[in-house]
Amino acid sequence: AQTVTQSQPEMSVQEAETVTLSCTYDTSESDYYLFWYKQPPSRQMILVIRQEAYKQQNATENRFSVNFQKAAKSFSLKISDSQLGDAAMYFCAYRSVGFQKLVFGTGTRLLVSP
Amino acid sequence: DAGVIQSPRHEVTEMGQEVTLRCKPISGHNSLFWYRQTMMRGLELLIYFNNNVPIDDSGMPEDRFSAKMPNASFSTLKIQPSEPRDSAVYFCASSFRLENTDTQYFGPGTRLTVL
Repeated sequence: AQTVTQSQPEMSVQEAETVTLSCTYDTSESDYYLFWYKQPPSRQMILVIRQEAYKQQNATENRFSVNFQKAAKSFSLKISDSQLGDAAMYFCAYRSVGFQKLVFGTGTRLLVSP
Repeated sequence: DAGVIQSPRHEVTEMGQEVTLRCKPISGHNSLFWYRQTMMRGLELLIYFNNNVPIDDSGMPEDRFSAKMPNASFSTLKIQPSEPRDSAVYFCASSFRLENTDTQYFGPGTRLTVL
């Protein structure tokens, strides 16, 4: 079974700075999808970014980008120019190509200070 | 688009009572998922449907839990009888299964408290 590990329970960053959240996963599959979801205090789960494992190019969405290292099974999220609104729990998730279930990590709480 | 709609947003009930959570997926989506979030177990999939048909219910904790999807725009998750350990946030998510590229969009969740 696939597992997702987020080893940083909490991270802090100052406004306008850059922060990187770590995620590693374990799988024997060669093709799959990876996601980062944001959960603010409202608890709504919001998709931040996704990556297809067959794509070598790292996904980017405005201030959010990933560093996908397939061989190392690592999928980190970089947030540039951090804003107060980025404060939230961030969850890394894995999904097999042939199976729709999302497997989530335990989350990283991001604190943003002025 | 209105997004995934869940009701109620908060539910407080007493042990032994029946609880029904409701979900309206995004229009046009053909897959629907029920997740549960607790401090102890994190986010876990309970069940999901494709085209209104349950595909995998292996995450449903026990027979007290049941889910239905009578049509493409409505699903329910029922707990009968409820127990204090069922207290959690329950999320519904939907996606459009186009080959294998579907992305799941989540509703705001229902916070259930069983006293």
